[in-house]
Amino acid sequence: DGGITQSPKYLFRKEGQNVTLSCEQNLNHDAMYWYRQDPGQGLRLIYYSQIVNDFQKGDIAEGYSVSREKKESFPLTVTSAQKNPTAFYLCASRPSGGAGDTGELFFGEGSRLTVL
Amino acid sequence: AQTVTQSQPEMSVQEAETVTLSCTYDTSESDYYLFWYKQPPSRQMILVIRQEAYKQQNATENRFSVNFQKAAKSFSLKISDSQLGDAAMYFCAYRSWIGSNYKLTFGKGTLLTVNP
Repeated sequence: DGGITQSPKYLFRKEGQNVTLSCEQNLNHDAMYWYRQDPGQGLRLIYYSQIVNDFQKGDIAEGYSVSREKKESFPLTVTSAQKNPTAFYLCASRPSGGAGDTGELFFGEGSRLTVL
Repeated sequence: AQTVTQSQPEMSVQEAETVTLSCTYDTSESDYYLFWYKQPPSRQMILVIRQEAYKQQNATENRFSVNFQKAAKSFSLKISDSQLGDAAMYFCAYRSWIGSNYKLTFGKGTLLTVNP
């Protein structure tokens, strides 16, 4: 089945540690995104990538980093510089280009990061 | 910058009744897409319905329909014959350009409770 796989589902981290969240998709989608979800805040865009080896900052990129070495993979690193990292993180993708591209995003099941 | 406002943090409805969730947005664009996503307790984001701005006809998907008022920049979701499985967080989203790519801007969500 095609889809987006995020791992781990739950992650605990001590303050000062970096942590990497995995996102893998087998939908053959070009564009990939990372969103952060906090209670009462909706979803906010962290980073996005249109193609391999290219990515751009979203609205709240400070304290985060990404890479896009393969079309299928878009890992997110939460660095120690992120002041309030405890949140739910959602990875998404979409096929880009063509008449059928409405901008609809397809989401993974999310990763819950808790900083102790 | 585009903004999406959901003015109802929480709503409740009796099973089999109808409920309407509100959404307004701000934009200077004339062609865009709007979406409603559902996030059940599993936290998987699921597309409920989409609306293309230049189509005057309101979108419908089974029990879900929208009331799209382009001039008023309003995009409400109506759920008919509510079912217990409809209980979830509902997010309104607007598709906008970011560089040469699309992104979705989300509202803060409305938590829908369905009472038996």
